[in-house]
Amino acid sequence: AQRVTQPEKLLSVFKGAPVELKCNYSYSGSPELFWYVQYSRQRLQLLLRHISRESIKGFTADLNKGETSFHLKKPFAQEEDSAMYYCALQGGSEKLVFGKGTKLTVNP
Amino acid sequence: ETGVTQSPTHLIKTRGQQVTLRCSSQSGHNTVSWYQQALGQGPQFIFQYYREEENGRGNFPPRFSGLQFPNYSSELNVNALELDDSALYLCASSLQGANDYGYTFGSGTRLTVV
Repeated sequence: AQRVTQPEKLLSVFKGAPVELKCNYSYSGSPELFWYVQYSRQRLQLLLRHISRESIKGFTADLNKGETSFHLKKPFAQEEDSAMYYCALQGGSEKLVFGKGTKLTVNP
Repeated sequence: ETGVTQSPTHLIKTRGQQVTLRCSSQSGHNTVSWYQQALGQGPQFIFQYYREEENGRGNFPPRFSGLQFPNYSSELNVNALELDDSALYLCASSLQGANDYGYTFGSGTRLTVV
């Protein structure tokens, strides 16, 4: 079974502080993993995908197959990073399996 | 390049009624996926359409059905509405075989069943 777990429903940090949004997955094969972000009153959009190993808006995420994790990190949070973040898995089919999301609030 | 558009944006229906939601895919995309997002949850895969046929289905009952048209737009139909069907319904388009995992989401239709 494919499953994505985001253990934190809410996460609050101060501007300039490091932030880490946790994501653990369950999948027997080699998954494709993604982070999607939804800013207030905007549509869901792709933030980054593990296959491209990009850094978007200062965020990075490393796939750790041993720990089945794909945590999202940023060394210095900005107020504009406040949003809902969803981790998603795609394994062997076209569908995306999403976690429940983490609401990040960056305080001034 | 146009994005994914969904209509209507909001809808209120009575339990037992039927509803049709519409989605226009992004220009250049040939595949449409539908997701249900209940309050406080992540999106859940309902089904996907490619070449006007269902190409994968999630754990949803048969009263959830869909269509894809030759212009790649799509409809989601839900019969015999239940209170638990109240949710945000998201449409996402993509290009099958592009291998870039480029899903573009619409803004969604907020369905309330009373």
